[in-house]
Amino acid sequence: GAGVSQTPSNKVTEKGKYVELRCDPISGHTALYWYRQSLGQGPEFLIYFQGTGAADDSGLPNDRFFAVRPEGSVSTLKIQRTERGDSAVYLCASSFAPPREQFFGPGTRLTVL
Amino acid sequence: DQQVKQNSPSLSVQEGRISILNCDYTNSMFDYFLWYKKYPAEGPTFLISISSIKDKNEDGRFTVFLNKSAKHLSLHIVPSQPGDSAVYFCAASGRNAGGTSYGKLTFGQGTILTVHP
Repeated sequence: GAGVSQTPSNKVTEKGKYVELRCDPISGHTALYWYRQSLGQGPEFLIYFQGTGAADDSGLPNDRFFAVRPEGSVSTLKIQRTERGDSAVYLCASSFAPPREQFFGPGTRLTVL
Repeated sequence: DQQVKQNSPSLSVQEGRISILNCDYTNSMFDYFLWYKKYPAEGPTFLISISSIKDKNEDGRFTVFLNKSAKHLSLHIVPSQPGDSAVYFCAASGRNAGGTSYGKLTFGQGTILTVHP
């Protein structure tokens, strides 16, 4: 079956712009997660959805970051007023209800100039 | 506060020998542990997991050992193959104060494994 897909694979934007990153989870997975990874580091948790609701958003760094999953499947991570420090690879993962192994997509590489 | 630590940034092993990757954690609430492998420009790939009720889990060439008293886990790869060369991450999750299991994974910094032919 299809794995987790993320679009776009690369996004280059200018400081101050708004970006949206999309994640399509594995069909049937109820949980969806967003992480971001900087060079030389492990993935860092951002937010976790169980169904349509955010079960844990403690990893969102500030109110410029927001994520939605309106129908319990596809999710969008939204970043307002991007800053150069937001540059990273944004990873999405999905799973059955935790604790279970999470399956990751290929990531979106965001570069803020 | 790094709750999951992989203290070896890199490991080099000869093909056919054993690779041992180590991971330490500090949060006693962690009760589920995973290992992931990552190739460049790809997302992490799940390898193997272990619940805190066990001390060993094996899947083919991969075995994970958990020492709860030492808050330490390790991944053994036997025999190592050149295709195993990648970055390996350990990760952990646990229950919150209310006893509800949560899905947030906390990752270590990764160990670069190189297996030489």
